[in-house]
Amino acid sequence: DIVMTQTPLSSPVTLGQPASISCRSSQSLVHSNGHTYLSWLQQRPGQPPRLLLYEISNRFSGVPDRFSGSGAGTDFTLKISRVEAEDVGVYYCMQATQFPLTFGGGTKVEIK
Amino acid sequence: EVQLLESGGGLVQPGGSLRLSCVASGFTLSNYAMNWVRQAPGKGLEWVSCIRSSGVSTVNEDSVRGRFTISRDNSKNTLYLQMNSLRAEDTAVYYCTNLYDPSRGSFHDYWGQGTLVTVSS
Repeated sequence: DIVMTQTPLSSPVTLGQPASISCRSSQSLVHSNGHTYLSWLQQRPGQPPRLLLYEISNRFSGVPDRFSGSGAGTDFTLKISRVEAEDVGVYYCMQATQFPLTFGGGTKVEIK
Repeated sequence: EVQLLESGGGLVQPGGSLRLSCVASGFTLSNYAMNWVRQAPGKGLEWVSCIRSSGVSTVNEDSVRGRFTISRDNSKNTLYLQMNSLRAEDTAVYYCTNLYDPSRGSFHDYWGQGTLVTVSS
């Protein structure tokens, strides 16, 4: 199975300031078809998860452009350019390059 | 309005069985592969199982293989998860979602609110 490792575990951020979350996979996420199936999900307190980004950097419908993704191979980053109050929650990276789909352990974003 | 409504969760003894259902409304379930994702209390997300849109092909996470069976009835717009030989470590909120379609390599974002399964004596 591909192991996904996220850092940090927790990220206290001042409103309006940027936040960054890293995700590393135990092996390359480049699929044989050339796509890299790395996604980012957000889970607000008491809510189901929500898809933010797929294939590293593609924002899903309705996701604000303050969320961006980058990376390649085994190292990926989610950035929030200016954190807003509604961004509080836990963020997960997820790989779908091979089954089983696996998630990172999560990074809690909270307001200082 | 798009909605996924899970049901069937509850308290069950170790070794017991439960059948979860997920009824879709506001969209056509048969257009999507469907997945079950679970979350143990206070823990992270864990993918459990996937079934392609036609229902012909399924994939399961190792720890549930041979115990859980995913199925669907597209005529009823309903997804199922039959869970047998339940263990304490299966205790979690179970979400149905069309998050990932392996046939198309596509991603989607319909989620239910989840149903809690508690395995305890």
